[in-house]
Amino acid sequence: GESVGLHLPTLSVQEGDNSIINCAYSNSASDYFIWYKQESGKGPQFIIDIRSNMDKRQGQRVTVLLNKTVKHLSLQIAATQPGDSAVYFCAENPGYSSASKIIFGSGTRLSIRP
Amino acid sequence: EPEVTQTPSHQVTQMGQEVILRCVPISNHLYFYWYRQILGQKVEFLVSFYNNEISEKSEIFDDQFSVERPDGSNFTLKIRSTKLEDSAMYFCASIGQDNYGYTFGSGTRLTVV
Repeated sequence: GESVGLHLPTLSVQEGDNSIINCAYSNSASDYFIWYKQESGKGPQFIIDIRSNMDKRQGQRVTVLLNKTVKHLSLQIAATQPGDSAVYFCAENPGYSSASKIIFGSGTRLSIRP
Repeated sequence: EPEVTQTPSHQVTQMGQEVILRCVPISNHLYFYWYRQILGQKVEFLVSFYNNEISEKSEIFDDQFSVERPDGSNFTLKIRSTKLEDSAMYFCASIGQDNYGYTFGSGTRLTVV
């Protein structure tokens, strides 16, 4: 994929291992957080979300952890597969409504080693 | 699964020309958005639209930009006089009344030459 411009942090993981992608958010008033996956040439795809009244939420092969004390969010992907290769963005909703704008982080590129 | 559809997938235009990027949000969604992503950078908010008016806009969304929902299905972004720095991927998104997660389209790659 294209990589001109801002250098993205990269995480390289062996296929089958677990991946942990971290994100620091900025607004302590944000109460809704989302992880997106973006494959090359495509739009962001929703993975999992979490509200601020929770500290953990699990989906299929993915878990999101929220630490409000240090404003930290992480995405754990179990048994990483080649199809998980993508750029992963965390996003926060600092608004008063779930329909407010979301603010994206700078992203992490996940690459899978065979 | 319902999709947000964007056309064209790639648009090349000369500097100073007007472009219109088109989106068909998911049919029962009520909130509509445009975001852009300059190559290799993060996704940036441009504008949100609800009840036929702009709800919020960023500082990027200046007088050269406008949005419109001309009928019950389309949502357009117009750039009146394009600049080189408008070159980016433009993503449309929509969200329903009770759905917290945005659905993004696949984007339009705008190249200003």
